[in-house]
Amino acid sequence: DVKVTQSSRYLVKRTGEKVFLECVQDMDHENMFWYRQDPGLGLRLIYFSYDVKMKEKGDIPEGYSVSREKKERFSLILESASTNQTSMYLCASSFHNTGLAYEQYFGPGTRLTVT
Amino acid sequence: RKEVEQDPGPFNVPEGATVAFNCTYSNSASQSFFWYRQDCRKEPKLLMSVYSSGNEDGRFTAQLNRASQYISLLIRDSKLSDSATYLCVVNLDSSYKLIFGSGTRLLVRP
Repeated sequence: DVKVTQSSRYLVKRTGEKVFLECVQDMDHENMFWYRQDPGLGLRLIYFSYDVKMKEKGDIPEGYSVSREKKERFSLILESASTNQTSMYLCASSFHNTGLAYEQYFGPGTRLTVT
Repeated sequence: RKEVEQDPGPFNVPEGATVAFNCTYSNSASQSFFWYRQDCRKEPKLLMSVYSSGNEDGRFTAQLNRASQYISLLIRDSKLSDSATYLCVVNLDSSYKLIFGSGTRLLVRP
């Protein structure tokens, strides 16, 4: 069974704090993704990575950065948290094949509240 | 036009009913199609992949119509446990990025 774990289920941070969300997968997947999910807006891609140290911006990268130093680990960083970053953050991973999208497996999510 | 469009529902059906969801996608170059299920306050989980020839998994049947660019999901003999939001998912162009629809909510009542 694919397992994707996230460092926290719930997190409360203050405006301006630096926030780290970590994700680990155990299936040797090349691709890893960070999404946020908000009511009425669905899942929106923040960043993704297709290899160690490689990253690409998704649809809403502003205010976020990522780090992928090891294949199994993908971190999302909020440089200076703001209230509009209050959301559910979901990490996912998948195999990689140029021109083909494999199914993505999700972690349980981190519900972040910024006050 | 949204890249992936779904009727948000909710579909409210009695146990045992058959219910069908449709989804349309805008990019004719898309090659990978999936249905995901998401329970309230949980992560999305893969329900089934959708193949060109159509595929069935127990009570669930998925169909793909490339000419009309739509995907369907049929659920037969609905169970209370089928209550969830069903997400239609398509890859962007021919890349490995997935685009998720906003979901169709299903409520199965006793």
